[in-house]
Amino acid sequence: GAGVSQSPRYKVAKRGQDVALRCDPISGHVSLFWYQQALGQGPEFLTYFQNEAQLDKSGLPSDRFFAERPEGSVSTLKIQRTQQEDSAVYLCASSLVSLSGGLVGELFFGEGSRLTVL
Amino acid sequence: GNSVTQMEGPVTLSEEAFLTINCTYTATGYPSLFWYVQYPGEGLQLLLKATKADDKGSNKGFEATYRKETTSFHLEKGSVQVSDSAVYFCALSDLMDMRFGAGTRLTVKP
Repeated sequence: GAGVSQSPRYKVAKRGQDVALRCDPISGHVSLFWYQQALGQGPEFLTYFQNEAQLDKSGLPSDRFFAERPEGSVSTLKIQRTQQEDSAVYLCASSLVSLSGGLVGELFFGEGSRLTVL
Repeated sequence: GNSVTQMEGPVTLSEEAFLTINCTYTATGYPSLFWYVQYPGEGLQLLLKATKADDKGSNKGFEATYRKETTSFHLEKGSVQVSDSAVYFCALSDLMDMRFGAGTRLTVKP
């Protein structure tokens, strides 16, 4: 389809394992965001890409979290040595415009990747 | 920093009732304001937006007015339907980021 695609939809990891979550944004979208959504909470900002440049990673909770978007399209969020508190839904969103250009446009969200750490 | 505070839920209404979900914000500049909706089993999607003070966003019978003097962007609908049952998120964006409230779950009963 033409929407934002995330995979896997569900991931169960044992504590200490590394996981990688993939986001395939809408083609041509400049901006890409990652959010973490805990149960019953709103999305919490993790990081923002404008094309391949990671302009803001202030929301990443620890150095175990790493995100990349090497060619300015697909992005991967990697979590090393997962902990139980990492259990959440990880949302990816993309937008046609950049923050510096004024983010008055719409964010298009994927359905999320639900991570459960046992 | 920027933040959004919205009315805690859950909210349960009967069909055709009037809906208000309160949202207030804190921002240093002049943000754009949004309401996003998440229907069961689906991703977040934009419901409406307003980009400057006194703008009114509207869609699907929902409305919200950007009030700078009260730093608010309350969501209203005159007559809710069962199909409006969802989680509603208030959000703001400026040149730095886009931030969301905690969400308000609405259930509409027939």
